[in-house]
Amino acid sequence: NAGVTQTPKFRILKIGQSMTLQCAQDMNHNYMYWYRQDPGMGLKLIYYSVGAGITDKGEVPNGYNVSRSTTEDFPLRLELAAPSQTSVYFCASSSAGVGANVLTFGAGSRLTVL
Amino acid sequence: AQTVTQSQPEMSVQEAETVTLSCTYDTSESDYYLFWYKQPPSRQMILVIRQEAYKQQNATENRFSVNFQKAAKSFSLKISDSQLGDAAMYFCAYRSARGGSEKLVFGKGTKLTVNP
Repeated sequence: NAGVTQTPKFRILKIGQSMTLQCAQDMNHNYMYWYRQDPGMGLKLIYYSVGAGITDKGEVPNGYNVSRSTTEDFPLRLELAAPSQTSVYFCASSSAGVGANVLTFGAGSRLTVL
Repeated sequence: AQTVTQSQPEMSVQEAETVTLSCTYDTSESDYYLFWYKQPPSRQMILVIRQEAYKQQNATENRFSVNFQKAAKSFSLKISDSQLGDAAMYFCAYRSARGGSEKLVFGKGTKLTVNP
C-alpha cells in the first residue's frame, strides 16, 4: 500500500500566489488531517475531516481552505500566499473509532513563500 | 486547552546505551491517549508507541518503553540499546478521548543524536 501520498514535495511561491497541496490515502480511512510544522516547533492542526463532505477548522486555519469530495482525497488550498505560510505541511489519516488514535502521516511538503 | 511540554530540546546517547526523553502535559480530562512519534531526516512522522490513560500498565514496543505517571502528568520515553537509526526528532503528543476531539496536540520535540 502507498499509505498517504502528498504532492508536491517542495514548492516555492511568490507572495500573493495560490496553490493546492494534494493529499491522497488508499487505506479507506475516514479521518484526514492537515498539519503544519514550523522550524523548531511541533505540528499544529490546520483543518481536519471526519468523512467525505465534512471538514472542520483546527488550531491555525486562517489563510487555508480544504475540501473533501471523496474518502481518498483531502487537498489543502492556499489562496494568497504569505511569508508566514512558509512551513512544512503534513497530511495524515486515520480510521474511525479506536483506530483514530493511530495516525499515518505523509512524507511532508516543504513550502517557501518569498 | 491541553498543552504538551518537552523540556529537552536536544539529547545525545552512545550507541547501545539507554536514554530517556521527558514529556509532561496539562489536561483536566481523565481519559485520553498519549503518543511518541519519531521524525527522522526524511521528515515522515512515524508512530513509536502509544498509551491509553485508563491503562495502568506502561506500554512497551521492543526497545521502546514509556513511564506513564498519570497523577504527575508525565509520559517519558525510554530507548534501550540505542541504535544509529534511532537518531531523529521525537515528538510527544496528546489526544483527548472525548468524542469529537480529533486533534493531536504536539510538543516542540526533542532532537536525539546517537553517537557511535
